[in-house]
Amino acid sequence: EDQVTQSPEALRLQEGESSSLNCSYTVSGLRGLFWYRQDPGKGPEFLFTLYSAGEEKEKERLKATLTKKESFLHITAPKPEDSATYLCAVQRNTGFQKLVFGTGTRLLVSP
Amino acid sequence: EAQVTQNPRYLITVTGKKLTVTCSQNMNHEYMSWYRQDPGLGLRQIYYSMNVEVTDKGDVPEGYKVSRKEKRNFPLILESPSPNQTSLYFCASSPREGLYTGELFFGEGSRLTVL
Repeated sequence: EDQVTQSPEALRLQEGESSSLNCSYTVSGLRGLFWYRQDPGKGPEFLFTLYSAGEEKEKERLKATLTKKESFLHITAPKPEDSATYLCAVQRNTGFQKLVFGTGTRLLVSP
Repeated sequence: EAQVTQNPRYLITVTGKKLTVTCSQNMNHEYMSWYRQDPGLGLRQIYYSMNVEVTDKGDVPEGYKVSRKEKRNFPLILESPSPNQTSLYFCASSPREGLYTGELFFGEGSRLTVL
């Protein structure tokens, strides 16, 4: 069974304090790994897609990386507006209509 | 504005009283899906649809029905709601090619409480 585990559950940072969020996965034939951002009271918003080990994607202060067993979302010099829950999801080679999500990491960045 | 619209956003109901949560998208997307989000369990897929009149079960379909009579609409039907269906529900859509990039567009959610 496909599994996605995110850690930590919650993370509190000071503005400017860089850190990383982890997404460990077990999937039979990974097609893609996706990162989403979810603000309170809103639906998830797509951030990145990673397809193969070694791949990296960047957007502003966020950089996502992928290995064969996990993905990291690195946040460099975060700002309070980066506060949100970050979700990771995986997609199989077969049954690509289904995404399996992790439970997310709640990030709070204090000024 | 491109969007996925869900209604109602909040609903409190009682066990056994049929209800429908509507979902509409204005982006001409082929793919639509329903998820429920529960603390500690994350987002779990209920049903999905690849196109009009084509629907399939996700991971947690029990107690739910869906229909896709028009491309833009994908209602979620709870024929006889029970308290374990209390949850936050999200509708999502994507163009067919978006499935390969994982770029789903989500609605703002519908918080359902079943007493």
